[in-house]
Amino acid sequence: EVQLVESGGGLVQPGRSLRLSCTASGFTFDDYAMHWVRQGPGKGLEWVSSISWTSGSVAYADSVRGRFTISRDNAKNSLYLQMDSLRGEDTAFYYCVKDGASWNFLDYWGQGALVTVAS
Amino acid sequence: QSALTQPRSVSGSPGQSVTISCTGTRSDVGGYKYVSWYQQHPGKAPKVMIYDVSKRPSGVPDRFSGSKSGNTASLTISGLQAEDEAEYYCCSYAGSYSWVFGGGTKLTVL
Repeated sequence: EVQLVESGGGLVQPGRSLRLSCTASGFTFDDYAMHWVRQGPGKGLEWVSSISWTSGSVAYADSVRGRFTISRDNAKNSLYLQMDSLRGEDTAFYYCVKDGASWNFLDYWGQGALVTVAS
Repeated sequence: QSALTQPRSVSGSPGQSVTISCTGTRSDVGGYKYVSWYQQHPGKAPKVMIYDVSKRPSGVPDRFSGSKSGNTASLTISGLQAEDEAEYYCCSYAGSYSWVFGGGTKLTVL
């Protein structure tokens, strides 16, 4: 059974940093690209960032490019999102998502980690 | 990276069919065969219902179907059931390893 468990969420002041982690199990982690998707309170889904299985290809939404960094450690079956210079509009649930097969869809989703940016 | 356009809400009675549209551009929906649809119940994580425009993952009822014409994709749910009431999001690959979602459609089963 595929499981994705996010951790590292919490309350952080504007301008500060936070690092989210996602631990994966139930599939061969280094065979799949991975993604982060967020959802603000009462809002829709927003793609944040993606990373290929070798970390050779990464992509970011315009809203986070230059502030967020995605990475992975295949030896630890883990995905990360380093979030710097956080803003109020970054407040959201952040979902760790497994790719379908070849960048074709967002397959399994974690339960999400809540990040609240407020003073 | 503009969001795809979906109707804010649709509704139907049990047993009826509803269709949710998702309009993008040639740079996303119209340019790739990678359109997917997600169902989200309140307080839950999204679940994929359709991928690659019209494919259903195992376990998804065949009442759910997808299609695409030009820059517009559609999700049709036939034989509506109470448990289908949820928020539905379309999503398209947009090139260069990026993705774009629709704004979401609230489905109400009357």
